[in-house]
Amino acid sequence: AQSVTQLGSHVSVSEGALVLLRCNYSSSVPPYLFWYVQYPNQGLQLLLKYTSAATLVKGINGFEAEFKKSETSFHLTKPSAHMSDAAEYFCAVRGGSQGNLIFGKGTKLSVKP
Amino acid sequence: ETGVTQSPTHLIKTRGQQVTLRCSSQSGHNTVSWYQQALGQGPQFIFQYYREEENGRGNFPPRFSGLQFPNYSSELNVNALELDDSALYLCASSFKRTSGRGTDTQYFGPGTRLTVL
Repeated sequence: AQSVTQLGSHVSVSEGALVLLRCNYSSSVPPYLFWYVQYPNQGLQLLLKYTSAATLVKGINGFEAEFKKSETSFHLTKPSAHMSDAAEYFCAVRGGSQGNLIFGKGTKLSVKP
Repeated sequence: ETGVTQSPTHLIKTRGQQVTLRCSSQSGHNTVSWYQQALGQGPQFIFQYYREEENGRGNFPPRFSGLQFPNYSSELNVNALELDDSALYLCASSFKRTSGRGTDTQYFGPGTRLTVL
């Protein structure tokens, strides 16, 4: 069965600093992996997805993630944090025959001025 | 192109009541999935509808039921509401090929916040 684990429920960075949000997955088949962002009182917005093509995936708002099979990881990074990046970030793996998403518990990102 | 919409935005019910939540899928999509997001948690899969039939269900009791209409919009019904049903309910639409397993990328609506008192 597929699952994801997000390390760190809360990450705080200064504006302009590197953002690193960690996600490890477990999957018996080649995984499809996703990062979504959720702003307060809103739904989920797709940041990027990995579908077995390039291992380095670029997404919106300057985010990118690297798929590392040997480490079963799919960490999300952004070189320079902006105040508007403050939100909750969810890593997900596609699971089940119907392709439903299995989410991690989320990481709340705070950005200090 | 219209994105995924949900109604109502907020809803307050009391224990034992029934509730219906609605979702309109994105143009070109034929599949709707529903998720429950409790406070401080990641979304949990409730069920998926494809071709007007339930196409998979997560670990939710039968009092959670749904419908999909010919225009691919969908409803989530919850009977005999319990306090633990208080959550954000998210609808996601996607495209499923007739011959394929799973669906393409899921796009989420803004959610319906349900409070059960």
